[in-house]
Amino acid sequence: EPEVTQTPSHQVTQMGQEVILRCVPISNHLYFYWYRQILGQKVEFLVSFYNNEISEKSEIFDDQFSVERPDGSNFTLKIRSTKLEDSAMYFCASSGQENQPQHFGDGTRLSIL
Amino acid sequence: EDQVTQSPEALRLQEGESSSLNCSYTVSGLRGLFWYRQDPGKGPEFLFTLYSAGEEKEKERLKATLTKKESFLHITAPKPEDSATYLCAVQHGSSNTGKLIFGQGTTLQVKP
Repeated sequence: EPEVTQTPSHQVTQMGQEVILRCVPISNHLYFYWYRQILGQKVEFLVSFYNNEISEKSEIFDDQFSVERPDGSNFTLKIRSTKLEDSAMYFCASSGQENQPQHFGDGTRLSIL
Repeated sequence: EDQVTQSPEALRLQEGESSSLNCSYTVSGLRGLFWYRQDPGKGPEFLFTLYSAGEEKEKERLKATLTKKESFLHITAPKPEDSATYLCAVQHGSSNTGKLIFGQGTTLQVKP
């Protein structure tokens, strides 16, 4: 069964450094998402992406965050200058249509030191 | 404000002891309600989608139902392998971007 894959599974970075989290969505999906989950808290929406542009972003997704689909298969989340509070599990998801189920990867655990 | 609340936060059952998990929502028009299962260290795994009040979906020991204010996930004769966190998420009608709003989850432990 097709699945969403994310790399790396764990990323440790110094505060102020840039990080890029990578995702390969399911191949025929058109809608792409990033969510994050701080330890012990709810899964929170960050951004949705469709037709090569951001369709919606949350308050969390400020100027330090960006997303890109550099080719036909990858979908990336970049954090330019990481803060301690960016430490969380980041999940990528994709869906065929916007109201269809979203399928999630197993996440990247981001630890900021 | 859009809100999703799940109860209980944690539930311990004996194997074979049936129960229900609740998801209450307040959104500006419901576009869809989704149930996911999350195992430790893993991403949410899709279980069910419900789109309108009165709709029901079943899969093995799980059955999801939907009313205008809440959804239930019924677990019949659970087994230890059903132990996980169950997440409820909604899409509201004014968003056509697919954004999901999650509840905090119910952590289920089934003891043999």
